[in-house]
Amino acid sequence: EAGVVQSPRYKIIEKKQPVAFWCNPISGHNTLYWYLQNLGQGPELLIRYENEEAVDDSQLPKDRFSAERLKGVDSTLKIQPAELGDSAVYLCASSWGTDTQYFGPGTRLTVL
Amino acid sequence: QKEVEQNSGPLSVPEGAIASLNCTYSDRGSQSFFWYRQYSGKSPELIMSIYSNGDKEDGRFTAQLNKASQYVSLLIRDSQPSDSATYLCAVNPGNQGGKLIFGQGTELSVKP
Repeated sequence: EAGVVQSPRYKIIEKKQPVAFWCNPISGHNTLYWYLQNLGQGPELLIRYENEEAVDDSQLPKDRFSAERLKGVDSTLKIQPAELGDSAVYLCASSWGTDTQYFGPGTRLTVL
Repeated sequence: QKEVEQNSGPLSVPEGAIASLNCTYSDRGSQSFFWYRQYSGKSPELIMSIYSNGDKEDGRFTAQLNKASQYVSLLIRDSQPSDSATYLCAVNPGNQGGKLIFGQGTELSVKP
């Protein structure tokens, strides 16, 4: 069974530029999560989807971050414009309902 | 007070010893508890989940949960150098769907 797929794996951009991350969850998983992980810290939830509905986006900085999950499968997380402090690893995870979450490899973002 | 707290370490143990990793949480209503292992530069990987008080064993790993003390631990018996990683404690608060709240992680180093 294929795991959670994320792309790109690495991204380097200048500050104020836009950036987008893509996630394909495990087949059949209806719940999708985006987490942010800073160096030396645990992941922090940004947004949680159940199918195509964002059911928890309370931690998403909506002035610059946006996300979508069209058709309830793949998801895209966007930052526009990026700031220096956005440098981190962006992790996508999926689960069936509230069962065990499986993480993708992550996208390491560096903002210069 | 952080919602989920772990000693950041590093915790250093000799090969073959027992490694003991600890985690406390603040929300008494928390329902499920997880230990993830994260190798440097990799994504978190689930190694144990526990839902009720007591011990749960899986190979060399034992998770222990004490809800009255709001404490969960992970024991690794016969530690191997390949166990060297950061161990993340994650808690599902129980009233927020599948949301996980992570501790900052404990870095474990197993010396040959």
